[in-house]
Amino acid sequence: DIQMTQSPSSVSASVGDRVTITCRASQGISSWLAWYQQKPGKAPKLLIYAASSLQSGVPSRFSGSGSGTDFTLTISSLQPEDFATYYCQQANSFPLTFGQGTKVEIK
Amino acid sequence: EVQLVESGGGLVQPGGSLRLSCAASGFTFSSYEMNWVRQAPGKGLEWVSYISSSGSTIYYADSVKGRFTISRDNAKNSLYLQMNSLRAEDTAVYYCGRDYGDYWGQGTLVTVSS
Repeated sequence: DIQMTQSPSSVSASVGDRVTITCRASQGISSWLAWYQQKPGKAPKLLIYAASSLQSGVPSRFSGSGSGTDFTLTISSLQPEDFATYYCQQANSFPLTFGQGTKVEIK
Repeated sequence: EVQLVESGGGLVQPGGSLRLSCAASGFTFSSYEMNWVRQAPGKGLEWVSYISSSGSTIYYADSVKGRFTISRDNAKNSLYLQMNSLRAEDTAVYYCGRDYGDYWGQGTLVTVSS
């Protein structure tokens, strides 16, 4: 199985800050990576697919990059509605696997 | 508007069974692969099962293999998860998701406890 490791596990940031979350796969997954945002009590929301493609309707302050084993989600200017938990997920092979999550908290 | 609505969750004793349903609307259900993903209380997301658009290809997480069965009825625009031999560690909110995760249902809570 492919293990997905996110860092950091949590980050405290202020509105307007640039936030970067990294995700590392235990083996190469090409660009088969998605990023999700999840708020308490809600379903996950797709932000980025294919490592760098912005899902329709998602603000352009979210961006993704990387390929192979190392990936990054960047929020260019953190907004109040962005405080949530973020997950990466590989879609290269079954079983699909998620990172452990990164909680973005208010500083 | 794409909608996925899960149902069938509830409280069940260890060793019991439940059948989850996911009703799809707003898109051509028969054209899309589907997944079940779960989230234990206070924990992260865990993929459970996948089914292809025709139902001919199916995968399971090791944690549920042999106990859970995914299926679909394209005529009824519905996805199912039959869960047998339930364990305490199966307690979670179960979400159905379309294709590469572009749409998800609101989730249904399964609690396994005596």
